[in-house]
Amino acid sequence: EVQLVESGGGLVQPGGSLRLSCAASGFTFSNYWMNWVRQAPGKGLEWVANIKPDGSEKNYVDSVKGRFTISRDNAKNSLFLQMNSLRAEDTAVYYCARPSRGATYDDWGQGTLVTVSS
Amino acid sequence: DVVMTQSPLSLPVTLGQPASISCRSSQSLVHSDGNTYLNWYQQRPGRSPRRLSQKVSNRDSGVPDRFSGSGSGTDFTLKISRVEAEDVGVYYCMQYTHWPYTFGQGTKLEIK
Repeated sequence: EVQLVESGGGLVQPGGSLRLSCAASGFTFSNYWMNWVRQAPGKGLEWVANIKPDGSEKNYVDSVKGRFTISRDNAKNSLFLQMNSLRAEDTAVYYCARPSRGATYDDWGQGTLVTVSS
Repeated sequence: DVVMTQSPLSLPVTLGQPASISCRSSQSLVHSDGNTYLNWYQQRPGRSPRRLSQKVSNRDSGVPDRFSGSGSGTDFTLKISRVEAEDVGVYYCMQYTHWPYTFGQGTKLEIK
């Protein structure tokens, strides 16, 4: 059974930093693109970043470029999101996800809440 | 960025009646490989998103056949033939053709 378990969320002040983790199991982690998607309270879904299986390519939505860094440790089946210079508008549930364009898999974690507030 | 526009944003439906959600993209979702990467997701209250279909009309395993996706180019539709109580939630279309991948605003389905 595929499992994606996020951790690391919490309350942080504006301008602060936080590192999210996602522990993956049930599939060969090193073979798949991995993603972070977020959802502000009561709002819709927004893709944040993704990373190639070997970590050599990373993509970010404009609103987080230069502030967030996605990374992975294939030996530990783990995905990370380092978030710096956090703003109130970064407040959201952050999902670790393994979606696919047309394959049978499409997996999401339960999410971890990040709250940016003074 | 590709803007995905859903309508309606609120959809009250009587049990057993059909429902339809429209999704329009600001540019064609036909990929250079010839496929159209349009997914539909359901998000029940307090839950993570669940994919219902991919590549416009391919229903995912375990999704009831009362759900069907259709469309092409920039114009797509999700239909529910007979709404059941378990269908309550928010429905999102998502384009997976152009980075950044983007979602529609969501359509909240409720029972009338």
